[in-house]
Amino acid sequence: GAVVSQHPSWVICKSGTSVKIECRSLDFQATTMFWYRQFPKQSLMLMATSNEGSKATYEQGVEKDKFLINHASLTLSTLTVTSAHPEDSSFYICSARDSGKDRNTEAFFGQGTRLTVV
Amino acid sequence: LAKTTQPISMDSYEGQEVNITCSHNNIATNDYITWYQQFPSQGPRFIIQGYKTKVTNEVASLFIPADRKSSTLSLPRVSLSDTAVYYCLVGSNQAGTALIFGKGTTLSVSS
Repeated sequence: GAVVSQHPSWVICKSGTSVKIECRSLDFQATTMFWYRQFPKQSLMLMATSNEGSKATYEQGVEKDKFLINHASLTLSTLTVTSAHPEDSSFYICSARDSGKDRNTEAFFGQGTRLTVV
Repeated sequence: LAKTTQPISMDSYEGQEVNITCSHNNIATNDYITWYQQFPSQGPRFIIQGYKTKVTNEVASLFIPADRKSSTLSLPRVSLSDTAVYYCLVGSNQAGTALIFGKGTTLSVSS
């Protein structure tokens, strides 16, 4: 079946540095990808919608200058957490659907990236 | 997007059938009902999707009444490995539409 792959699976970074997370659709094209954040014992919260070739759409309360999203190709979206702080420590998950299908598209999720800012 | 309500937690024993019900009173005509499973530190995994009546696959069944204001995920003969969080989502299944997650149901299966 279709697979969405994230890299890295986990990362530890120092406060003030930036971290890039990659999300790839392995066997389908995705003009739109979605980024979620999940804190312990909580549900997934949609952060932003990544659009290939155009600007991302951010949910209310999500700082676009802090969470930079680039969707340079139909199979790759990246999320960069800039000037990371301990409160940015979380589980980041991407999702995508096959853009080649107009409807009845299952959403596939990456395995997630555990970010720890120290 | 339609809001969903499901039990916060459920407990079961191995070999039992588990039914998790989700309420979605404001479901729109074009909305589909989808269930996902999530294990700790992993991304959600698709279980089943339906629009109306009953859908069955190799792992679960989904029952949707005629008014579509609720749905029930049925897991036959659960095992310890079915311990996870189960999310009921309602919305468009088009490629450009994000899924909005509710709180989910934490299912604990004991031996």
